[in-house]
Amino acid sequence: GQNIDQPTEMTATEGAIVQINCTYQTSGFNGLFWYQQHAGEAPTFLSYNVLDGLEEKGRFSSFLSRSKGYSYLLLKELQMKDSASYLCAVFYNTNAGKSTFGDGTTLTVKP
Amino acid sequence: EAQVTQNPRYLITVTGKKLTVTCSQNMNHEYMSWYRQDPGLGLRQIYYSMNVEATDKGDVPEGYKVSRKEKRNFPLILESPSPNQTSLYFCASSLIKGSDEQFFGPGTRLTVL
Repeated sequence: GQNIDQPTEMTATEGAIVQINCTYQTSGFNGLFWYQQHAGEAPTFLSYNVLDGLEEKGRFSSFLSRSKGYSYLLLKELQMKDSASYLCAVFYNTNAGKSTFGDGTTLTVKP
Repeated sequence: EAQVTQNPRYLITVTGKKLTVTCSQNMNHEYMSWYRQDPGLGLRQIYYSMNVEATDKGDVPEGYKVSRKEKRNFPLILESPSPNQTSLYFCASSLIKGSDEQFFGPGTRLTVL
């Protein structure tokens, strides 16, 4: 399969910056998503990267390096409500319908 | 309101009793997908559909069936549920293909005794 690796848990302080990394197999890469999921709720879209570089959207930014099979999600000015699980998902061009999700990174923001 | 709906939201059933979880979207999306999520794990894709009458297996299709007779509906069928299918299930849809932004339903928590 196409393994996606991301840290299981992270902890950060309110107001700080945190970076969540995601690595994946590069063969057949089509695009990479980041989703946020609060406990017991459905995932919601954060970002989509298909080309190398940084995509910024308010407090959240996502970076992609296709040659390295690496992405990160950067969260600035952390708020308590950012405590959630962050899911990295990759689509491969062998089939535009099939997706592979990482196990998610649970972020805890402390006062 | 644009949304993906699932029913039921919660279901407790017994081994072997056939059940269907419905999924409906009102956004005229072509792509729909079913995922299951187990504690500590991310989403694992069960089946997806690129359009009406076009379905395909995801990573964990065993024990499940789907159908896509009309664009808005994508039911998940468990012909003979087993305890290892106890899970949280999410339906999702996107405009054209899976690599478009996906919109998720609220989830269905299924327990098979």
